[in-house]
Amino acid sequence: EDKVVQSPLSLVVHEGDTVTLNCSYEVTNFRSLLWYKQEKKAPTFLFMLTSSGIEKKSGRLSSILDKKELSSILNITATQTGDSAIYLCAVEASNQFYFGTGTSLTVIP
Amino acid sequence: DSGVTQTPKHLITATGQRVTLRCSPRSGDLSVYWYQQSLDQGLQFLIQYYNGEERAKGNILERFSAQQFPDLHSELNLSSLELGDSALYFCASSARWELGTQYFGPGTRLTVL
Repeated sequence: EDKVVQSPLSLVVHEGDTVTLNCSYEVTNFRSLLWYKQEKKAPTFLFMLTSSGIEKKSGRLSSILDKKELSSILNITATQTGDSAIYLCAVEASNQFYFGTGTSLTVIP
Repeated sequence: DSGVTQTPKHLITATGQRVTLRCSPRSGDLSVYWYQQSLDQGLQFLIQYYNGEERAKGNILERFSAQQFPDLHSELNLSSLELGDSALYFCASSARWELGTQYFGPGTRLTVL
């Protein structure tokens, strides 16, 4: 059965710390992997990674896709309280979209 | 504001009833996706429409159905509601066929009593 697993489930850090969130997947006919940030509302898109674009960066956030290990990481450097949210990983494969259960990040001032 | 609108914002109904959730995509977006988010199951993909046609189907129950109209708005119909259907239902839209950059609406919170 296709699935997406995120770790850790929850993370609490101090402002200024660097965090790494993990996403691993087991799917057939992988097409793309996406990262979303969800605060107390709808998810907002962060990155999309595909075979032709395995590394993305935007400000303090960056993400890498490892197609060999069937995984991806999301790095956040110099964390701020505004980074507190649930980070969702999603994979598109075989015309289906699979989401992980998310990593809850709390950044303490 | 993503540009995707969903109505109603909240909906409280009883078991056995039927409800309709409505979504208007961002201007110009042809693709509409429906998701269900519950506390115990996370975000689950239900169904996708592209320019009026069903394009992909996820874990959508037979009691649920959806359609996309010529003006590209979409409706998700939930019938014979059960307590377990209580969840946040999101609609998302994208310009293209593939998943890509999706813009999520604010969601409709459904409570089944």
